[in-house]
Amino acid sequence: AQKVTQAQTEISVVEKEDVTLDCVYETRDTTYYLFWYKQPPSGELVFLIRRNSFDEQNEISGRYSWNFQKSTSSFNFTITASQVVDSAVYFCALSEARITGGGNKLTFGTGTQLKVEL
Amino acid sequence: EAGVAQSPRYKIIEKRQSVAFWCNPISGHATLYWYQQILGQGPKLLIQFQNNGVVDDSQLPKDRFSAERLKGVDSTLKIQPAKLEDSAVYLCASTAHIRLASGNEQFFGPGTRLTVL
Repeated sequence: AQKVTQAQTEISVVEKEDVTLDCVYETRDTTYYLFWYKQPPSGELVFLIRRNSFDEQNEISGRYSWNFQKSTSSFNFTITASQVVDSAVYFCALSEARITGGGNKLTFGTGTQLKVEL
Repeated sequence: EAGVAQSPRYKIIEKRQSVAFWCNPISGHATLYWYQQILGQGPKLLIQFQNNGVVDDSQLPKDRFSAERLKGVDSTLKIQPAKLEDSAVYLCASTAHIRLASGNEQFFGPGTRLTVL
């Protein structure tokens, strides 16, 4: 069975600090996808990034960066120079890769509440 | 491009009453999902449709929950009768048909917050 663990329930930082959100996953599949979603107070889940299991290159997008390490089954997310607008719940999620049509269900972690204060 | 629409945004009912939620996915998206998100937890899949057929409903409590997507576009999720533990946010998501060797990005609606008293 697939499982995603986000051990950090809540993180508080001061604006401009860097912050890393941890994600550890379990799966028996050799091919899978990892995601990060942001859930602001409005409630809508916003897609941030997708990574497939064959691509271990780290990625940087503006102030966001992701570190995927298959050896430790981790997919960590770093926000550089955090801002108040980054305050939200962040979810890591996992889905299996299936070639047949339909799109595959996401298994979510329990989320990390990030609070960025002035 | 319009996003996933859901209504109502909020609903308060008493236990044993019935309730229905509506979802309109992004135009052209073949796959539609309903998730339940209990406070403090991540979303959990209830049911997945591919066009108007059910792909996965293994975690849907079928004794009280039902869902349909008759014309392969809009979908409704119903709870009858509701229990206290059904208090949660119900999220609808959609995705275009999966491409070969490509993970699917799901687009989520704003959700319906249900409170059962």
